[in-house]
Amino acid sequence: KNEVEQSPQNLTAQEGEFITINCSYSVGISALHWLQQHPGGGIVSLFMLSSGKKKHGRLIATINIQEKHSSLHITASHPRDSAVYICAVLEGQNFVFGPGTRLSVLP
Amino acid sequence: GAGVSQSPSNKVTEKGKDVELRCDPISGHTALYWYRQSLGQGLEFLIYFQGNSAPDKSGLPSDRFSAERTGGSVSTLTIQRTQQEDSAVYLCASSPSGTGGSYGYTFGSGTRLTVV
Repeated sequence: KNEVEQSPQNLTAQEGEFITINCSYSVGISALHWLQQHPGGGIVSLFMLSSGKKKHGRLIATINIQEKHSSLHITASHPRDSAVYICAVLEGQNFVFGPGTRLSVLP
Repeated sequence: GAGVSQSPSNKVTEKGKDVELRCDPISGHTALYWYRQSLGQGLEFLIYFQGNSAPDKSGLPSDRFSAERTGGSVSTLTIQRTQQEDSAVYLCASSPSGTGGSYGYTFGSGTRLTVV
């Protein structure tokens, strides 16, 4: 069993749809990050969470420490949201990465 | 600088040659990480520097890989006697503190290494 799992692996949505990407982990962590990797390969850190919920624009991230689960939501999705979304948990000093979720938002 | 800078952005090398990849972190960031992403694979941790402490090298895949960080700033990842399986995008990230704390991480744009 991988330490960090994500679902779905691939997701295609129509512009405007509400999107949810899930992350579950099996290790003790100090924080969880959601990363966005653009088609060109660049990576942007979207959120760092250790509890509760954070919101930035159309993006919302939640984490349930007891259930070892986090979700990333995108409201009113847009084609420019198309990217790979990676869940990364901080175990000690190092990241353990999920396999990523490839999102395609169609116009 | 404004972000994490990596160079070169692309590198093609012949099998068996040595390569050096450079990472220039955000000024003042004490923590620096190297990762790699092979084609179709997830991100893989390589090495972590925190201030003047001994680096965490637990992710380096073989003794052909080494890294140093001079003066607590610029880091160089060296791959000796490159093999085709070393082909990947090598990413550098830095953060103001070792835990990433409340500040998060900033990634560079990566170096795409192709070993032919």
